[in-house]
Amino acid sequence: EPEVTQTPSHQVTQMGQEVILRCVPISNHLYFYWYRQILGQKVEFLVSFYNNEISEKSEIFDDQFSVERPDGSNFTLKIRSTKLEDSAMYFCASSENRGNSPLHFGNGTRLTVT
Amino acid sequence: AQSVTQLGSHVSVSEGALVLLRCNYSSSVPPYLFWYVQYPNQGLQLLLKYTSAATLVKGINGFEAEFKKSETSFHLTKPSAHMSDAAEYFCAVSDMNRDDKIIFGKGTRLHILP
Repeated sequence: EPEVTQTPSHQVTQMGQEVILRCVPISNHLYFYWYRQILGQKVEFLVSFYNNEISEKSEIFDDQFSVERPDGSNFTLKIRSTKLEDSAMYFCASSENRGNSPLHFGNGTRLTVT
Repeated sequence: AQSVTQLGSHVSVSEGALVLLRCNYSSSVPPYLFWYVQYPNQGLQLLLKYTSAATLVKGINGFEAEFKKSETSFHLTKPSAHMSDAAEYFCAVSDMNRDDKIIFGKGTRLHILP
C-alpha cells in the first residue's frame, strides 16, 4: 500500500536556525497537509496545500513557516528561525480529495530545538 | 467552528473486555467524523470514518463507531480488547462542504490490562 514518507525521522537544531522537513505524499493525492503534535498534547493543524498554493492555514502558521512543493513529489515545511517552542512531532499528510477522503499520515519528524 | 471533545485522556480495560472511547463533536454543518489510532513512534492511521451514509460504521481491527446526531456523539467501541489495541486514539471532525483540514480531539490513551 502506498505510504507517505517523511525525512528525517529526528532533527535536532539550535534556536534561530532554519530547518526544512521533507515529505513525499502518496503519488496520486492532490491535497497535502502539515500537522504538529507537541509532546503530550493534541494534534494541531498547521496548513493545507492544494494546486500549488496554501488553501488554509492556522494561527500557528505564522511568517516563520512556509511550505513548498518544489517538484512533482516532495512537499516541504520550512521553519525560518526556530524557537524552543517549535519542538514537536511534525506530521505530513495527504489525501486524494477534500471532504470525506481520509488523510494518510507519515510517521512524523521529531524536531528538537535546543 | 468545529471541535471534538474526547472524554477521558486515559482509559484502561482488561483484555477481552469491551472498549468504549467517547467522542462528542460540535459542528454547525453536517460533519465528516473520523477515528484515528497512533501507535508509539508512528503516524496516525485511519480506523474508520463517517460520511453521512450508514450511522454505524465498521473499521479495521474490529472497531466500530456509531454516529448519533441527537447526542452529537461518535463513540468508538470494540467488543473484546486485545493487548495490541494499546495505543492513542484520536477522534476528528471536518466540514463536509469546505474542509481543508481535519480537527483532532486531544486523544485518549487506551491501556489494556492482562
